[in-house]
Amino acid sequence: DTEVTQTPKHLVMGMTNKKSLKCEQHMGHRAMYWYKQKAKKPPELMFVYSYEKLSINESVPSRFSPECPNSSLLNLHLHALQPEDSALYLCASSQDRGQGVYEQYFGPGTRLTVT
Amino acid sequence: AQKITQTQPGMFVQEKEAVTLDCTYDTSDPSYGLFWYKQPSSGEMIFLIYQGSYDQQNATEGRYSLNFQKARKSANLVISASQLGDSAMYFCAMRELTTSGTYKYIFGTGTRLKVLA
Repeated sequence: DTEVTQTPKHLVMGMTNKKSLKCEQHMGHRAMYWYKQKAKKPPELMFVYSYEKLSINESVPSRFSPECPNSSLLNLHLHALQPEDSALYLCASSQDRGQGVYEQYFGPGTRLTVT
Repeated sequence: AQKITQTQPGMFVQEKEAVTLDCTYDTSDPSYGLFWYKQPSSGEMIFLIYQGSYDQQNATEGRYSLNFQKARKSANLVISASQLGDSAMYFCAMRELTTSGTYKYIFGTGTRLKVLA
């Protein structure tokens, strides 16, 4: 199984709402990533979890809160977002040690609209 | 700091022709990995091909090949026999080992390829 799943596919939320994005993989990958992608731009790294511990936070505002409950799951909790946070949110996973190919496998993304 | 540059915002190619998408990189690490991803309009990022800095031969995967010129720090993607389904955004990326011991991936700005019938 080389699939990364993300739910929901689409999300519309108000600025006062609290919502969560979910990502799941069963490839045994120990690194999981959250990216934000605006239209016609490259993915922008937000967070990296390695072995279920937060390894990288790219100075993301605290209204985004990541969580890694176990090695297969990655959540992104959203609270008090701004309209400029509207984007495609991509989850990815990869191996995280050694010098192999270790490409990232991406999920289909969640298209978030903040109203 | 590592950097990836894609200088072609958009490219057109006739169906069945070959096309080259440019990518240059900058790093001081002797060990690095270079990746190409395809992103159709649906949004999902699809891994195409990988080149390691110590690989002696250029990588190939079906219709995709990577023209790796280490001294010039370039890793161009060549797509042979273009198909209409190749129309998409293409990203070059480099893997960087961070001080925390975790890999992160740096993406170029992308090239939008349109295949013409």
